[in-house]
Amino acid sequence: EPEVTQTPSHQVTQMGQEVILRCVPISNHLYFYWYRQILGQKVEFLVSFYNNEISEKSEIFDDQFSVERPDGSNFTLKIRSTKLEDSAMYFCASRRDSVTEAFFGQGTRLTVV
Amino acid sequence: TQLLEQSPQFLSIQEGENLTVYCNSSSVFSSLQWYRQEPGEGPVLLVTVVTGGEVKKLKRLTFQFGDARKDSSLHITAAQPGDTGLYLCAGALRNNNDMRFGAGTRLTVKP
Repeated sequence: EPEVTQTPSHQVTQMGQEVILRCVPISNHLYFYWYRQILGQKVEFLVSFYNNEISEKSEIFDDQFSVERPDGSNFTLKIRSTKLEDSAMYFCASRRDSVTEAFFGQGTRLTVV
Repeated sequence: TQLLEQSPQFLSIQEGENLTVYCNSSSVFSSLQWYRQEPGEGPVLLVTVVTGGEVKKLKRLTFQFGDARKDSSLHITAAQPGDTGLYLCAGALRNNNDMRFGAGTRLTVKP
């Protein structure tokens, strides 16, 4: 069964360093998302991506964040200069179209020290 | 404010009891999903509802989409400890491509 895969599963980084979180969405899906979940808290929307551009982004998704679909299969989230408060689980999701359900990866646990 | 309001936030019940959790909004959704999340893992899709008034059953779980497509409920019959987890609703808005989550209901079923 097709699934969304995320790598790495866990990343520890020093404050101020750049990190790239990687996702491989389901192959025939067209809509891509990043969400984050701080431990024990709600799932927060970061950004949606469709037709090779950002559709919408939340107030969390500031200039330190960027997304890219570099090669037609990967979908990456870059944090340029990590802060302690960026520590969270980051989930990638993809959907076939704008109505159907989204499928989620298992997440990347980012720890900023 | 949350686009999707889930209630209750926490629910602790004994094995065998029935329960209902709610997902409400003032917005109309083209579809609404229910997910279950275990600690340290990604949300796992339980069901998608699309049509107003739709009812879907998944074993002991019954999902209903409101007639106006603004709200949904999840009813669990004879809850079991394996039902313990965070239940999330997520909606796809009619006027854009995005999906938003409610804050979730954290269910604990005690043996």
